[in-house]
Amino acid sequence: DGGITQSPKYLFRKEGQNVTLSCEQNLNHDAMYWYRQDPGQGLRLIYYSQIVNDFQKGDIAEGYSVSREKKESFPLTVTSAQKNPTAFYLCASSPSGRAGANVLTFGAGSRLTVL
Amino acid sequence: QQPVQSPQAVILREGEDAVINCSSSKALYSVHWYRQKHGEAPVFLMILLKGGEQKGHDKISASFNEKKQQSSLYLTASQLSYSGTYFCGTVDSSYKLIFGSGTRLLVRP
Repeated sequence: DGGITQSPKYLFRKEGQNVTLSCEQNLNHDAMYWYRQDPGQGLRLIYYSQIVNDFQKGDIAEGYSVSREKKESFPLTVTSAQKNPTAFYLCASSPSGRAGANVLTFGAGSRLTVL
Repeated sequence: QQPVQSPQAVILREGEDAVINCSSSKALYSVHWYRQKHGEAPVFLMILLKGGEQKGHDKISASFNEKKQQSSLYLTASQLSYSGTYFCGTVDSSYKLIFGSGTRLLVRP
């Protein structure tokens, strides 16, 4: 079955450490996205990529980095520069980034807790 | 830039109706609606592409007023399964999908 796989599901990190969240899709989608969700809050866009080897910052990119070396993979690194990284992270993909063709399919999410 | 949703929360009895509104300060290309159950990923409900377009599935429908840069989600004869948080997402000329802060819906027996 096609879908998006995020790993790990739960992750604990000490302050000052970088962590990388994995996102893999087998839907053959061109566009991929990372969103952050805080308790009781909406989804805020961190980074998005409409094509391999290209990505753009979203609204809250500071303290995060991404890469898009393969179509199916879009890992997110939460760096030590991110001051408040504890959150639920959702990866999503869409057939393309064009309006009307960007219906998102979400992964199950990764919950990051900084100790 | 983030669309504004209202109300923030609503409690219904099974069988009652509800309307959730979403408005933007920017001209929109499309409006999306998603529902998220607690602890789960959001699930796509519908997308509206044209001004004045209305869509529906089951007893959930939506409208898009392009001129007013607004969309509304209508839940008719609500069921227990409708409980969750509803998000609208808007796409403007940047092609980024930006979500509102969500509306929590609780349907009680």
